[in-house]
Amino acid sequence: NAGVTQTPKFQVLKTGQSMTLQCAQDMNHNSMYWYRQDPGMGLRLIYYSASEGTTDKGEVPNGYNVSRLNKREFSLRLESAAPSQTSVYFCASKLAGEVAEQYFGPGTRLTVT
Amino acid sequence: AQSVAQPEDQVNVAEGNPLTVKCTYSVSGNPYLFWYVQYPNRGLQFLLKYITGDNLVKGSYGFEAEFNKSQTSFHLKKPSALVSDSALYFCAVRDRIGSSNTGKLIFGQGTTLQVKP
Repeated sequence: NAGVTQTPKFQVLKTGQSMTLQCAQDMNHNSMYWYRQDPGMGLRLIYYSASEGTTDKGEVPNGYNVSRLNKREFSLRLESAAPSQTSVYFCASKLAGEVAEQYFGPGTRLTVT
Repeated sequence: AQSVAQPEDQVNVAEGNPLTVKCTYSVSGNPYLFWYVQYPNRGLQFLLKYITGDNLVKGSYGFEAEFNKSQTSFHLKKPSALVSDSALYFCAVRDRIGSSNTGKLIFGQGTTLQVKP
């Protein structure tokens, strides 16, 4: 049981390049989330998927797109990377229900030059 | 709008002493509150949550948190700190819009706990 996995662990992009961050969970969770973490700002929600087949914007969606490929996988795409997107990205998942806690992946450290 | 605040950027304690990491919240309706810990270069790990019932919630690694409705606080505590407790701690509150549960969490900005030997 690997929990939540993310690839890659590290990535350096040049401004304007695109890339996709991958996330997968093996806990049969319904909901999945993408956050970014910046110093002094806590975690901010980019997009989430409450259930397979649905996606919704979070607090900071601009410059990102997501795909809920199936129940297990939720990817985050940067179409044209900008230096402001330099951050650590975390994927999380949880069971359905409002009291369930979220489980986090190990993160992807992205630098855009 | 729901919000959560962690008033201290850093808390320093000596090993063996009790520790407290503070969290206050602002919500409409009943609060569902969470604490997470993040060790260096790792993802967040769930510590404990308050949903309803007993105001003192016990969690992982000997941590507990006290829910205080009148003070709108949910402080994280441990009776005797360990050096290995040094990490970044996040308080979070469940987000709601009206009566709808979005399933989302709103996080505080985090508090760094340093436990000195």
